[in-house]
Amino acid sequence: KAGVTQTPRYLIKTRGQQVTLSCSPISGHRSVSWYQQTPGQGLQFLFEYFSETQRNKGNFPGRFSGRQFSNSRSEMNVSTLELGDSALYLCASSSDRARGTEAFFGQGTRLTVV
Amino acid sequence: GENVEQHPSTLSVQEGDSAVIKCTYSDSASNYFPWYKQELGKGPQLIIDIRSNVGEKKDQRIAVTLNKTAKHFSLHITETQPEDSAVYFCAASKTSGGYQKVTFGIGTKLQVIP
Repeated sequence: KAGVTQTPRYLIKTRGQQVTLSCSPISGHRSVSWYQQTPGQGLQFLFEYFSETQRNKGNFPGRFSGRQFSNSRSEMNVSTLELGDSALYLCASSSDRARGTEAFFGQGTRLTVV
Repeated sequence: GENVEQHPSTLSVQEGDSAVIKCTYSDSASNYFPWYKQELGKGPQLIIDIRSNVGEKKDQRIAVTLNKTAKHFSLHITETQPEDSAVYFCAASKTSGGYQKVTFGIGTKLQVIP
């Protein structure tokens, strides 16, 4: 069974630009969650999608948005990038997070904003 | 909201010794406590979890204990090996509004010295 796939693995963007990250969950998983990981803040929850609907959202500004497609693949978009957005962005998939099922993480996308 | 505190932030042990990482949580409604291991350049991987109706769970060299009254849970690694070196995250999870809300600890960097 293929794991969670995130693309791209590395990305360098300029302040003010926008970026789109992609996450393909494990086959059959309908829940995709996104996290921002930084050395000082640990894993911060961004949002969760289930069956194409945003089901839960963390405390991030509106510049951070996401969506989920009918095949459960998810994208995350960050507009007007700031230097502080540099981080490792992780997505996790599960069959149904609301039922407390196990979440599997991808390897992440390392975003650097210069 | 839920607050998860994790100690220590860094831990060095000699190969063969035991390692203990402790977490406390604030929300008594939390009922699922996973532990993740993150190796360099990889996403977090679930290594063990425990639900609130269980006090202890063991899987080979890894064990987790939960004290619901005191709201703390711990990860125990016995006979540590160099490949145990990684960052470990605890998390507390509860069902809220029909979905699972997960809060992570800040992480513990474990170094096993050969």
